[in-house]
Amino acid sequence: AQRVTQPEKLLSVFKGAPVELKCNYSYSGSPELFWYVQYSRQRLQLLLRHISRESIKGFTADLNKGETSFHLKKPFAQEEDSAMYYCALYNFNKFYFGSGTKLNVKP
Amino acid sequence: NAGVMQNPRHLVRRRGQEARLRCSPMKGHSHVYWYRQLPEEGLKFMVYLQKENIIDESGMPKERFSAEFPKEGPSILRIQQVVRGDSAAYFCASSPAGTSGGGGEQFFGPGTRLTVL
Repeated sequence: AQRVTQPEKLLSVFKGAPVELKCNYSYSGSPELFWYVQYSRQRLQLLLRHISRESIKGFTADLNKGETSFHLKKPFAQEEDSAMYYCALYNFNKFYFGSGTKLNVKP
Repeated sequence: NAGVMQNPRHLVRRRGQEARLRCSPMKGHSHVYWYRQLPEEGLKFMVYLQKENIIDESGMPKERFSAEFPKEGPSILRIQQVVRGDSAAYFCASSPAGTSGGGGEQFFGPGTRLTVL
């Protein structure tokens, strides 16, 4: 069965520090993975998808099939990065979301 | 484009009443998805609809829950005879086409927070 696990409910870092939000998945096929973000008082929105291999707002995420992970990284966190982050796996009509990690970037 | 609209934003019902949640997709989008988020949990897929068709309802509870997306008007998620365990945030998302094949982005509404007393 498909499952997405985000082990950290809350991650606090100082501004300028590196940040890594962990995401592990269980899926037998070739996964399609996404990161969604929800800023305070805003809607959930797409941050990036692994097939695009893009960097958005300085964030990157690499799919590691061996470790079944899709961790989200940024070398230098900014205060405006504070938000809820959700990892999601897509499989035939459905997205499976993790429980989310709240990132708090302190000044 | 106003984005995905959901109403009401907050809904309070007593046990046994019916709850109706509405979702208007973005202009030009014909595919709608409903999710439920229980406290401290992630979003859980409920149902995927196209205009006048239910494509995938594998995430819907077998009883009391139903969804529709008529040719005209918003998509409706209906919960009959609500119980306390139905209290949650319900999110709707839309896309211009099905995400079948992958890579598609879903655009989310602000959610409806249902409280059952």
